[in-house]
Amino acid sequence: ETGVTQTPRHLVMGMTNKKSLKCEQHLGHNAMYWYKQSAKKPLELMFVYSLEERVENNSVPSRFSPECPNSSHLFLHLHTLQPEDSALYLCASSQSQGGGYTFGSGTRLTVV
Amino acid sequence: GIQVEQSPPDLILQEGANSTLRCNFSDSVNNLQWFHQNPWGQLINLFYIPSGTKQNGRLSATTVATERYSLLYISSSQTTDSGVYFCAVMNYGGATNKLIFGTGTLLAVQP
Repeated sequence: ETGVTQTPRHLVMGMTNKKSLKCEQHLGHNAMYWYKQSAKKPLELMFVYSLEERVENNSVPSRFSPECPNSSHLFLHLHTLQPEDSALYLCASSQSQGGGYTFGSGTRLTVV
Repeated sequence: GIQVEQSPPDLILQEGANSTLRCNFSDSVNNLQWFHQNPWGQLINLFYIPSGTKQNGRLSATTVATERYSLLYISSSQTTDSGVYFCAVMNYGGATNKLIFGTGTLLAVQP
């Protein structure tokens, strides 16, 4: 364990479902991130939260909705996803936006 | 935006061999990190190294920021070193205010 915990590890959902991914960090960091990793593509930054305030929204479709209720928890709410949204979703945290990142184990999402 | 190129894209080693992975970037950075992604998808931070040299066991890294490259050295490789190695850079507070990843080097260490 790296200190960043993601659940669930695997998720299969239909295109009409609503689900949420959860991320929790136990490192005392104050910045958290969602990344998407698709096959054959570099990791793509989706959202950045610093001190619980969203500071980056990287042109992500509205079917992905992040939530950061406190500095230790980050959620990614999913609804009406498309098959091309199938990917590994990684959460990360850092002491500050300019510091070293610690990643969780990821949620492997399959949209059917 | 900043470009991050890693080489080689793929590498096959026999156990015990040494290797050097390279990361070139196209603009000034003040944050550079090396990660190892294992076959199960876990990304492990190996080094936070915006400049200088660091060592951790069989791994070491050197970043020459003025020449815009970083090197990751793996000595006496083991099968557990297999996976993808990513370099990621940022110019925090500057032109590239988010961590940008390269496309990675896929390493396979054979017994």
